[in-house]
Amino acid sequence: GAGVSQSPRYKVAKRGQDVALRCDPISGHVSLFWYQQALGQGPEFLTYFQNEAQLDKSGLPSDRFFAERPEGSVSTLKIQRTQQEDSAVYLCASSFRAPLGVQETQYFGPGTRLLVL
Amino acid sequence: EDKVVQSPLSLVVHEGDTVTLNCSYEVTNFRSLLWYKQEKKAPTFLFMLTSSGIEKKSGRLSSILDKKELFSILNITATQTGDSAVYLCAVRKTSGSRLTFGEGTQLTVNP
Repeated sequence: GAGVSQSPRYKVAKRGQDVALRCDPISGHVSLFWYQQALGQGPEFLTYFQNEAQLDKSGLPSDRFFAERPEGSVSTLKIQRTQQEDSAVYLCASSFRAPLGVQETQYFGPGTRLLVL
Repeated sequence: EDKVVQSPLSLVVHEGDTVTLNCSYEVTNFRSLLWYKQEKKAPTFLFMLTSSGIEKKSGRLSSILDKKELFSILNITATQTGDSAVYLCAVRKTSGSRLTFGEGTQLTVNP
């Protein structure tokens, strides 16, 4: 596709429910990132993939958060037993190379807005 | 701990005004500073700055980096209502590819 796509765009979950958020990066992009953006805040790093390898998951806030990219393209971020504090926009970004070139940037998707009631 | 601080957090101006947005940072092993514009959807890339004192320019927008004083500014001249958005500043380190973002500046341009 022309850009990074994410689905669903909006998700309402009851507390305790599991959710899965999908990211389709730009075709051919090796690097994939997940960020969490709380209301009124800047995005915060969650995790990073180089192809199918998850090289950095230091930003995942708890063991309820799990991400995968089994074939090195589409990625899924799963949140188990959702809590109200998980309500945020989840942004996915991709880049052509890994590691990123000095002048290379990340291209962001539109995000999934998650609301946990 | 790495830190990126943006100011002001919000700004309201009239069309035609010039605005300056600020970003200061404290990171080890700095590589580059990036500016993004976010309008209720995906952040879109504006500038990447790696060297001090070199102005990057795109139309009415320009940005410059001061690596000695650890800050960057984003200037927008002759603002238009379409400039209304959150402007995000982010820093990338030499190790790894992740970005560390500031809180953003909410700019509102009124007609």
